[in-house]
Amino acid sequence: SSELTQDPAVSVALGQTVRITCQGDSLRSYYASWYQQKPGQAPVLVIYGKNNRPSGIPDRFSGSSSGNTASLTITGAQAEDEADYYCNSRDSSGNHLFGGGTKLTVL
Amino acid sequence: EVQLVESGGGLVQPGGSLRLSCAASGFTFSSYWMSWVRQAPGKGLEWVANIKQDGSEKYYVDSVKGRFTISRDNAKNSLYLQMNSLRAEDTAVYYCARELQWLVANYFDYWGQGTLVTVSS
Repeated sequence: SSELTQDPAVSVALGQTVRITCQGDSLRSYYASWYQQKPGQAPVLVIYGKNNRPSGIPDRFSGSSSGNTASLTITGAQAEDEADYYCNSRDSSGNHLFGGGTKLTVL
Repeated sequence: EVQLVESGGGLVQPGGSLRLSCAASGFTFSSYWMSWVRQAPGKGLEWVANIKQDGSEKYYVDSVKGRFTISRDNAKNSLYLQMNSLRAEDTAVYYCARELQWLVANYFDYWGQGTLVTVSS
């Protein structure tokens, strides 16, 4: 199906590691990209391709993929990482898909 | 510095029309795919449409096909979204985004600040 599924909410203790996942058939053929969005702000690209970070994105953010699942890992989560995270990929007909988003709470 | 600035949002009645614009600067606009992505209040992101560098290819999400038209003017470094037959469910913040496409990946590396479209009587 042409959908990307994310857990609605995830929490992590300050300084710990958290993994946010995204599932969908399109991920068997296309890499996911990941976006961070804080309240009232535009999304920001944090991971793209196999595991690439745009300049300015801390190296505690990393990406991985296996089968129909893509993951965004934050190693040593900081308070400023509290945000909504969205995955995105393309499907075979050229359309773009976004996951429903995961609200990350840093405790 | 790459900048994308949207404009044209506002309040419109159901069935009405609106044209959004996105002014691009700080990069060679004609070298990039461009997309519109929207976000309904309190909801997630939804890709709306995209357009190839020369305008020869355009793609739309099913829910806007036949109602919305994406276009660009490379001479003016501008992207547009003509929205007709607007519905309440089109109410959202509309973002303009620069898009990179590879063989097995795509991503939106720069986003505008968004413009709010409200469809209501």
